[in-house]
This record gives sequence, C-alpha cells and structure tokens, in this order.
Amino acid sequence: DAGVIQSPRHEVTEMGQEVTLRCKPISGHNSLFWYRQTMMRGLELLIYFNNNVPIDDSGMPEDRFSAKMPNASFSTLKIQPSEPRDSAVYFCASSLSGAGTEAFFGQGTRLTVV
Amino acid sequence: AQTVTQSQPEMSVQEAETVTLSCTYDTSESNYYLFWYKQPPSRQMILVIRQEAYKQQNATENRFSVNFQKAAKSFSLKISDSQLGDTAMYFCAFMNPQGAQKLVFGQGTRLTINP
Repeated sequence: DAGVIQSPRHEVTEMGQEVTLRCKPISGHNSLFWYRQTMMRGLELLIYFNNNVPIDDSGMPEDRFSAKMPNASFSTLKIQPSEPRDSAVYFCASSLSGAGTEAFFGQGTRLTVV
Repeated sequence: AQTVTQSQPEMSVQEAETVTLSCTYDTSESNYYLFWYKQPPSRQMILVIRQEAYKQQNATENRFSVNFQKAAKSFSLKISDSQLGDTAMYFCAFMNPQGAQKLVFGQGTRLTINP
C-alpha cells in the first residue's frame, strides 16, 4: 500500500482565494483525521471521520473551513476564503477503528497564503 | 480536557549515546494510550512506540523504549545507541479511547544527533 496520499504537497495562494486539500486514506481504514501544524499551536485536530461520517469537528477553526468525505477513499479540506493566518502544514491521517490503533499520516500539505 | 507537555524544546547528543525525552500529561481517565511520533525533515509523522495505560510493562521497540509512570503521569522515551537518522522532531501524544480516536500532541522536542 502506498500509504496516505495527500495533494498537493505545497500550495501557495493569494488571500481570499479558495483552497482545496485532498487526501486518499489507506485502503481498508475507516477512520480519517485532518490535523493542522503551526509553530504557535503545534499539532491540532481539525476534524475526524468514521465510516465517512464526521464525528468530531470541534477543532474546525471557523466557517471558512469545511471538510467532506464522499466515499471511503477520498476526503477534502476546503478553505474559502483563505487568509494569511491559515498558513500551516495540513496533515491527513487514517486508521482502523478501535482503541489505541495507530494513525498513519500523509506527508502533509504546506499551505502558504500571501 | 487532556493536555500533554514536553518540557525540552531541543536536545542534542553525540552519535551512539543514549538520550531520554520527557513527556508529562494530564488526564482523569484511567484507561488510555500514549504514543511517541517522530517527524523527520521529510515532514511525515512516523509512529515510534505505543503504550497502553493498563499495561504495567514498559513498551520497547528495538533501540526505543519508554519509562511509563502512571501515577506520576509521565511517559519518557529513551533512545539507545543513537544514530544520525534519529535526528527529528519527536512528539508525545495521548489518546482517550472513549469517543473519538483523536491524538492530543505535545509541543515537540527537536532532537539532533551529532556525528
């Protein structure tokens, strides 16, 4: 298996533009997570899906952020409109459901909003 | 809410030395999971080791071992015979198995192994 695949690897966009980050989880995994990493706040969970259903979106910073998982093999995180403070590395991770199971991370998308 | 604290922002040791990274956490739960993740310059988060709170035996994975002190809420990572490839950010993380499987991360420790 190729692991969790995220695209793009890097994204530079202008303030106000829409940004869409993509994630393909490991086949067979039924839990998917979006994390954000910044110098100030470290790694923080944005949203968690189980069996394609959003379970916990309490970490989504504001209405400009939205996430979808239309099927078991694809998820998107959208920011509209983007702002400079959204600049961060966004990670997608997947795992099997179950207590203590390992989360496998993608290589992340480095987003820069100018 | 659970919190995870890593008090060492940076550490540096010579190759082949042993190094210990500290982590403390705060929770009222009795059953939970603790993890150490490694983030090399490639940026990808890689699981190093996992500990289940109800297991008294400390987890080990080759050169990596933990010292889990449940009463003190301490979970340190020991790297023996350190190698240049161990240079990375190391994150301690907590998972409460009740409800969402989300990981709560510490701030990280930047470890440099010098030749």
